[in-house]
Amino acid sequence: EDKVVQSPLSLVVHEGDTVTLNCSYEVTNFRSLLWYKQEKKAPTFLFMLTSSGIEKKSGRLSSILDKKELFSILNITATQTGDSAVYLCAVEESSGNTGKLIFGQGTTLQVKP
Amino acid sequence: GAVVSQHPSWVICKSGTSVKIECRSLDFQATTMFWYRQFPKQSLMLMATSNEGSKATYEQGVEKDKFLINHASLTLSTLTVTSAHPEDSSFYICRPLPIRTAFFGQGTRLTVV
Repeated sequence: EDKVVQSPLSLVVHEGDTVTLNCSYEVTNFRSLLWYKQEKKAPTFLFMLTSSGIEKKSGRLSSILDKKELFSILNITATQTGDSAVYLCAVEESSGNTGKLIFGQGTTLQVKP
Repeated sequence: GAVVSQHPSWVICKSGTSVKIECRSLDFQATTMFWYRQFPKQSLMLMATSNEGSKATYEQGVEKDKFLINHASLTLSTLTVTSAHPEDSSFYICRPLPIRTAFFGQGTRLTVV
């Protein structure tokens, strides 16, 4: 059975800390891995990763994919209270319903002032 | 800007009534619409996949007679929760294809009382 597992499930840090969120997957027909941020509403797209070893960066956020070891990490540096949210990892399948996403459980991040 | 418009954003209904949720694609033709459900503190779970002009495909454990999906046009897909019960209270959200960067609708928070 295809699955996506995120860790940790929750995390509390202080402003200025750096955090690393993990996502491992077992998906038969992998196409891409996506990261989202969710704050009490619809998920907001952060990154899409398709190739191993190529870091994607947006401001204080960065992410990288390892297709050999089947995992991805999302890094947030110099965290701010506005980074508090649930971070979702999803893997897109390439067979059958192209575009079908399998989601992990999410990591709840709380950044304290 | 939004690529798909989902309405209503929230709804409260009485037990036993039906609720219709609409997802309308803006400026493109959505050949496929994925419908997800998210219970509090849980991740997104795929309920069904609809393709324009054909019957929807439901995930295991999702009652097709309870969650009616219509995708009669390339710009509109609807999810109707029939005979709603309190346990159907959840966050329902759609995601169209083909938009590879995986934007979601704004989501509908359904509360059944």
